[in-house]
Amino acid sequence: GAGVSQSPRYKVAKRGQDVALRCDPISGHVSLFWYQQALGQGPEFLTYFQNEAQLDKSGLPSDRFFAERPEGSVSTLKIQRTQQEDSAVYLCASSLGGTGISYGYTFGSGTRLTVV
Amino acid sequence: AQSVTQLDSHVSVSEGTPVLLRCNYSSSYSPSLFWYVQHPNKGLQLLLKYTSAATLVKGINGFEAEFKKSETSFHLTKPSAHMSDAAEYFCVVFGGNTGKLIFGQGTTLQVKP
Repeated sequence: GAGVSQSPRYKVAKRGQDVALRCDPISGHVSLFWYQQALGQGPEFLTYFQNEAQLDKSGLPSDRFFAERPEGSVSTLKIQRTQQEDSAVYLCASSLGGTGISYGYTFGSGTRLTVV
Repeated sequence: AQSVTQLDSHVSVSEGTPVLLRCNYSSSYSPSLFWYVQHPNKGLQLLLKYTSAATLVKGINGFEAEFKKSETSFHLTKPSAHMSDAAEYFCVVFGGNTGKLIFGQGTTLQVKP
């Protein structure tokens, strides 16, 4: 597609529920990133894929967070046993190149997760 | 480790007056720096980037930024604000070989008529 597509746009989860957030990057983009943006804050890095390989997951806040990109295109961010502090906008970005510094990053509009 | 600090959480200007959004960076090596804008319910959009070429970088919509190594600053400016410039602005540093971006806390720009 023309841009990075994220779904759903909004998700309300009850505390303790599992959620799955989807990211469709631009076709052919090698790199894919997930960021978490809490209310009133700047986005914070969660994890990075190059094709299907997860090369950096240092930003995942706990073992309740899991991301995958099995075929090197669509990615899913899964959060198990959601807690209120997980409430945030989850942003996905993709890049044509290895790290994005040369080709740039395209961000999706995000998924707003609210845990009640 | 790299980091950026945006010195103002909120800036208010009148339409037609200059805009200055301030950013200081910390980096152990020559950084790559960006400014992004985020309009409500829209994705982050790149305004401009600095990657060790010219220190004065021109971006979209009339914005520009100047890299000053001696001051470790990368302030964003625009000569004349437009109502459509009202948004959240992020100063960002490239985090290294895994490609992650490190964002500042953001500055909300309000433009008054």
